[in-house]
Amino acid sequence: KNEVEQSPQNLTAQEGEFITINCSYSVGISALHWLQQHPGGGIVSLFMLSSGKKKHGRLIATINIQEKHSSLHITASHPRDSAVYICAVRGPRGGGGADGLTFGKGTHLIIQP
Amino acid sequence: SAVISQKPSRDICQRGTSLTIQCQVDSQVTMMFWYRQQPGQSLTLIATANQGSEATYESGFVIDKFPISRPNLTFSTLTVSNMSPEDSSIYLCSVRLARGREQYFGPGTRLTVT
Repeated sequence: KNEVEQSPQNLTAQEGEFITINCSYSVGISALHWLQQHPGGGIVSLFMLSSGKKKHGRLIATINIQEKHSSLHITASHPRDSAVYICAVRGPRGGGGADGLTFGKGTHLIIQP
Repeated sequence: SAVISQKPSRDICQRGTSLTIQCQVDSQVTMMFWYRQQPGQSLTLIATANQGSEATYESGFVIDKFPISRPNLTFSTLTVSNMSPEDSSIYLCSVRLARGREQYFGPGTRLTVT
């Protein structure tokens, strides 16, 4: 079973700061998801990646398969980025449940104006 | 991509009653899942909703407590039966367009049981 660890658990930063959230996992994967959950509970899929780096607006996600590690970066952070960021990994043989996903516990990010 | 809507968005229910949550997707999808997120916890998969047949439940979840229907490829319901305060959670519907593809989540239903 894959173990997914996120750090930090909580992060408070000032508007404009560069933010990094980390995700480590214990077993090889076929893909990694970064998800954003707003206070209302809804979840938005930010990235799915299996290698290298992806960028969307001010968000950048990287993954190092050899080190079993991924990072989510937010440049020029803004109060509207305040949310819970969740890392989820998918095993090569569909590890976890039928969805094949194992979720981290999330990083609570607060960006203060 | 897929756009998912859920009803209701939130509800407060009495112990012992049941609540049915609806999930509507804007396109036909083969893979549809129901998750629970208890306060302060990560997401837990309840079941896979199968079109035209019984849902496939994960360990710790049973059909009598969480009956699921999926009459077609765009719609599903999850019922939380005989509720207790421990059922207070966010319930999320999720879809994947195909194996190996990105997964999309609904806005969630925040349930409080008193």
